Amino acid sequence: DTEVTQTPKHLVMGMTNKKSLKCEQHMGHRAMYWYKQKAKKPPELMFVYSYEKLSINESVPSRFSPECPNSSLLNLHLHALQPEDSALYLCASSAEGRPGYNEQFFGPGTRLTVL
Amino acid sequence: KQEVTQIPAALSVPEGENLVLNCSFTDSAIYNLQWFRQDPGKGLTSLLLIQSSQREQTSGRLNASLDKSSGRSTLYIAASQPGDSATYLCAVSGSARQLTFGSGTQLTVLP
Repeated sequence: DTEVTQTPKHLVMGMTNKKSLKCEQHMGHRAMYWYKQKAKKPPELMFVYSYEKLSINESVPSRFSPECPNSSLLNLHLHALQPEDSALYLCASSAEGRPGYNEQFFGPGTRLTVL
Repeated sequence: KQEVTQIPAALSVPEGENLVLNCSFTDSAIYNLQWFRQDPGKGLTSLLLIQSSQREQTSGRLNASLDKSSGRSTLYIAASQPGDSATYLCAVSGSARQLTFGSGTQLTVLP
């Protein structure tokens, strides 16, 4: 199974809402990533978890809060977002917990719209 | 800082044509290079991964080459089909162990 799943597929939220994005993989990968992708732009790295510990935070605003409850699951908690945060949020995973060293597999993404 | 450039930004070809997509990067100290396909509004599908010690990888009608010393990679697509229409992204993994993406080539294969 080489699949990364993400829920929900679409999310619309107001600026005062709190919501969460979920990502799951069952490939035994020990590195997991969150990316943000704006229209017609390449993905931008937000966070990297290696062996369930946050290893990279690309200066992301605190209104985005990642969480890795176990080796298969990655969450992104959202609070007080701005309209410019509207984007496609992609989750990825790779083997062996060495971020960036092995092939990354991406999920289908969550399309987030902030009103 | 690693920079990745993809040329052309957009390409339109008739069905059946063989084509080459180009990717260049500024820092040759990379671990690997990965080619992805992305359909509109969808996630990224990994096509090929080339480790820094390899020269090329093949999968079906796709062939990717890597010349690390010159900072270049090409993705060759044989006998293109309308279903190949998508945006193709290359990404390199370097000393920061993060993927740095190019801006992509938007491919349209006309029936």
